[in-house]
Amino acid sequence: DAGVIQSPRHEVTEMGQEVTLRCKPISGHDYLFWYRQTMMRGLELLIYFNNNVPIDDSGMPEDRFSAKMPNASFSTLKIQPSEPRDSAVYFCASGGGLSLAKNIQYFGAGTRLSVL
Amino acid sequence: DAKTTQPPSMDCAEGRAANLPCNHSTISGNEYVYWYRQIHSQGPQYIIHGLKNNETNEMASLIITEDRKSSTLILPHATLRDTAVYYCIVRAGPIIQGAQKLVFGQGTRLTINP
Repeated sequence: DAGVIQSPRHEVTEMGQEVTLRCKPISGHDYLFWYRQTMMRGLELLIYFNNNVPIDDSGMPEDRFSAKMPNASFSTLKIQPSEPRDSAVYFCASGGGLSLAKNIQYFGAGTRLSVL
Repeated sequence: DAKTTQPPSMDCAEGRAANLPCNHSTISGNEYVYWYRQIHSQGPQYIIHGLKNNETNEMASLIITEDRKSSTLILPHATLRDTAVYYCIVRAGPIIQGAQKLVFGQGTRLTINP
C-alpha cells in the first residue's frame, strides 16, 4: 500500500483565498484524522471521521474550517477564507481496518500551508 | 487521557542504546502507552505500544514499570536516522469511545551524535 496520500505537499496562497487540502487514506481503514502542527501549539487534532461520519470536530478552530469525507477513500479539509494564522503543516492520518493493531494511526507526509 | 511528562531533549551517541523516559503517574487501568516519533519534515510514525507487559518489535523495546506509572522506550543501537522528536501518549484501548484520539505533547527531541 502507498500509505496515506496528501495533496498538495505545499500550498502558498493569499489571505482571503479558499484553500482545499486533500487526503486519501489507506484502503480498508475506517478512521480518518486531520491534524495541524505549528511551532506554538504543536500537533493538534482538528477532526476525525469513522466510516465517513464526523465523530469529533471539537478541534476545528472556527467556522472558516470545514472537513468532509464523501467516501471511504477521500477526504478534504477546506479553509475559507484563509488567514495568515492558518499557516501550518496539516497532516492526515488513517487507522483501523481489520488489523489487530486497530487503533494505530498512519500519517501522511503533510501539506505545508503558507497564507501570505 | 492521562498526562505524560517527558524530558524536552536528549542526546545519544551513535551505536549506543537510547533510553527515553516517560512519566504517566495518573494512568488508568484501561489505558495503553503508545510511542510515536516524528522525523524532521515528516508525519509522525508509530513505534510501539503496550498495556503492562514489556514489548519488543523491530524498531524498539518498551519497558513499563510494574505500577505502570512510567515507561522507557529503548532504541537498542541508535543510528543517525533515529534523530527525531519522540512522543509518549497514553490513552484508553480501542473499544472505548473517543480512544482513537491521539493527544500529542511536546515530546523529547532526541539527537543521535556521530
